[in-house]
Amino acid sequence: DARVTQTPRHKVTEMGQEVTMRCQPILGHNTVFWYRQTMMQGLELLAYFRNRAPLDDSGMPKDRFSAEMPDATLATLKIQPSEPRDSAVYFCASALGQLMNTEAFFGQGTRLTVV
Amino acid sequence: ELKVEQNPLFLSMQEGKNYTIYCNYSTTSDRLYWYRQDPGKSLESLFVLLSNGAVKQEGRLMASLDTKARLSTLHITAAVHDLSATYFCAVDQGRSGSRLTFGEGTQLTVNP
Repeated sequence: DARVTQTPRHKVTEMGQEVTMRCQPILGHNTVFWYRQTMMQGLELLAYFRNRAPLDDSGMPKDRFSAEMPDATLATLKIQPSEPRDSAVYFCASALGQLMNTEAFFGQGTRLTVV
Repeated sequence: ELKVEQNPLFLSMQEGKNYTIYCNYSTTSDRLYWYRQDPGKSLESLFVLLSNGAVKQEGRLMASLDTKARLSTLHITAAVHDLSATYFCAVDQGRSGSRLTFGEGTQLTVNP
């Protein structure tokens, strides 16, 4: 399928609960990004993978966030425990990973609300 | 650390008018991307600029890249209401590709 699919689209959870967000990149794309979007901070890169290997996760709070790619068709972003300040829209994007072109295609996002 | 700055952040314009959005970035790169985001929606790729002097046009939008000045522009010609959205530029700072850093976004409102 020629689009990035994210689930769930919306998630409301209580503080302290674990949240898992999933992303299916475009078939054939070898680069996957996780971005977080808030009104205050804009679009922040949390982590990205190439060929399933994490290349950079410096934008991610390590104590509570983790990102993985169990296989080429699935990327996950987990928050444990969640906090109200994690409320945001989380976007997954994928790219073909060509050396000279990193055009990224975005999923519809997961809108997370932590109460 | 790469910084990407857009100007203006908010733009209200009349239909039929022309305007330019600017995107400045702080380190050397020759790969720049423009995206559009409608309220509550995802980001849609508009333009891919991969070399100095690159110019791309689609309808009423035209994007250009000057890598020496570290500047990209998104020019709007004869604006229409359907162009109302937030526009982001993003710069690729990695030698091997990847790691897009986004600007703050320009919220464009086109009034009838």
